[in-house]
Amino acid sequence: QVQLVQSGAEVEKPGASVKVSCKASGYTFTSHAIHWVRQAPGQRLEWMGWIYAGNGNTKYSQKFQGRLTIIRDTSASTAYMELSSLRSEDTAVYYCARGLAVAGVFYFDYWGQGTLVTVSS
Amino acid sequence: DIQMTQSPSSVSASVGDRVTITCRASQGISSWLAWYQQKPGKAPKLLIYAASSLQSGVPSRFSGSGSGTDFTLTISSLQPEDFATYYCQQANSFFMFGQGTRLEIK
Repeated sequence: QVQLVQSGAEVEKPGASVKVSCKASGYTFTSHAIHWVRQAPGQRLEWMGWIYAGNGNTKYSQKFQGRLTIIRDTSASTAYMELSSLRSEDTAVYYCARGLAVAGVFYFDYWGQGTLVTVSS
Repeated sequence: DIQMTQSPSSVSASVGDRVTITCRASQGISSWLAWYQQKPGKAPKLLIYAASSLQSGVPSRFSGSGSGTDFTLTISSLQPEDFATYYCQQANSFFMFGQGTRLEIK
């Protein structure tokens, strides 16, 4: 069965960077995109960016341009999300999600369990 | 950016009730809309995609409709496990989510 397993909770100081991993299993990793979505406490879901695992192409939300890097390691079937220059507003649960491609657009059909990132001095 | 607005923000209902949640896009998105269910402390779960297609394994009491700017999610007969928060998401231009509708037990 399809599973996405994320790395554990992180506590970081303002200005630091955080890297979260997302290990995929149960499907051909290189045939799908992996998206990253975050949810601040009590807030709506917010899409951050995606990577197509086959060729490594990425697309980022303009909000995170310059601070967000998404990469993948096909040998480990793992995607990584790194967010830099952290500020308190980045405190959130970060999810990876597999892209379900339907007629050229994506929906998110399988999700990781979420990784809580806390930014605090 | 295309903005997504859900209504109501919260609704109280009883087991067996029929519930409808509405999502409005700030501009037309054809049928590029999904609905997700999220329970506290859990990841969202895809229910409906392309406005009206039921995701595999999702009970048939869930249905979606609409196109353009106005969409609805209907739960035909509420079950105890359906009490959760529901989000719409547009896929026409990047990915924006609605603010969520909290479905509570009356």
